[in-house]
Amino acid sequence: DVKVTQSSRYLVKRTGEKVFLECVQDMDHENMFWYRQDPGLGLRLIYFSYDVKMKEKGDIPEGYSVSREKKERFSLILESASTNQTSMYLCASSQAGVLNEQFFGPGTRLTVL
Amino acid sequence: DQQVKQNSPSLSVQEGRISILNCDYTNSMFDYFLWYKKYPAEGPTFLISISSIKDKNEDGRFTVFLNKSAKHLSLHIVPSQPGDSAVYFCAASPSDQETSGSRLTFGEGTQLTVNP
Repeated sequence: DVKVTQSSRYLVKRTGEKVFLECVQDMDHENMFWYRQDPGLGLRLIYFSYDVKMKEKGDIPEGYSVSREKKERFSLILESASTNQTSMYLCASSQAGVLNEQFFGPGTRLTVL
Repeated sequence: DQQVKQNSPSLSVQEGRISILNCDYTNSMFDYFLWYKKYPAEGPTFLISISSIKDKNEDGRFTVFLNKSAKHLSLHIVPSQPGDSAVYFCAASPSDQETSGSRLTFGEGTQLTVNP
């Protein structure tokens, strides 16, 4: 059974803190993605990676960075959290190639106070 | 610039009737489309897809229709069941991996409620 896991389901942080969100997939997928989901805005792509140590900016990369040191792990970093980064964060993975579905983790609900 | 739009934030239907969820896109490079379903506190799960070489794809109770000239697709669920109540996201991608890098562009989502 395919699996994408995220390190936390709920997280509360203070403004200015550095935040790490971890994602692990066990499907040997080449591609990994970070999205945020906000009401009325759908899923917006923050960053994605198509190989170890490779990363590409998505639609809303400002305020975020990522790290992919191992194939199975993709981390999202908020260098200095702000209240407008309060959101649901979703990680996904897929095989290389375009016509492959993305598999999603359960999400991390991040609240920045 | 919302390239994939789902204009109905919510839809309510009676059990056993048809649910029709709509999606419009503006980017003419998009030629592969997917629908995802999302329950609360879970990640989205893939439901059905369609390539632009087709105008219809069917999987059990779920059928996706694509109208390329109108840049419009729709998801039909027949018959609708209470367990179908979820948020449905439309997503699109160019099939040219050089330009897309396997990324998807999602719509805003439509909350479907199927009443018993």
